[in-house]
Amino acid sequence: EAQVTQNPRYLITVTGKKLTVTCSQNMNHEYMSWYRQDPGLGLRQIYYSMNVEVTDKGDVPEGYKVSRKEKRNFPLILESPSPNQTSLYFCASSRLGGLEKLFFGSGTQLSVL
Amino acid sequence: GNSVTQMEGPVTLSEEAFLTINCTYTATGYPSLFWYVQYPGEGLQLLLKATKADDKGSNKGFEATYRKETTSFHLEKGSVQVSDSAVYFCALSAGNQFYFGTGTSLTVIP
Repeated sequence: EAQVTQNPRYLITVTGKKLTVTCSQNMNHEYMSWYRQDPGLGLRQIYYSMNVEVTDKGDVPEGYKVSRKEKRNFPLILESPSPNQTSLYFCASSRLGGLEKLFFGSGTQLSVL
Repeated sequence: GNSVTQMEGPVTLSEEAFLTINCTYTATGYPSLFWYVQYPGEGLQLLLKATKADDKGSNKGFEATYRKETTSFHLEKGSVQVSDSAVYFCALSAGNQFYFGTGTSLTVIP
């Protein structure tokens, strides 16, 4: 089954404790991206990647890191999480980027205390 | 810059009513436009898209037309069902960046 898999589904952590949210897709997609969803703000793009070893900033990259060492994986790293990063996070992929539809994962609800 | 503005909700309709959710955009160049739908506890799913001016996207009875002169991409459905209850997001892509509206929650009552 074609899918984007994110883990974990829920995560509670404390300020400053490094964490990684994993994202994997099995569709051989070139493009992968991360978003955060906040009430009243919709989805905002954090980072995106057009190919292995190629990453670019979205609208809200501060406080986040990503890497794309393999085509199928695109982890989101919070080196020193803060409470304002409490949000619902989505990973998404598409075959060729902006012209193609995005396939979304089920989301990761992150709470930073 | 690029941005999407969509009508605020929540919207509550009776079954078989007509639905319109307004969406306008600001973009440099020629963006592609999308409507995504989110059901509770799930990620977003593509509902329809249009990639150039005057294109009409359609799916499951929903339609939206890419209007460059009014920079709009309004979502319409002639007769909504209870199963259409969800949150709807208008979005644009410019280059390889995506921009989403704030979402409109729709509840359809029997």
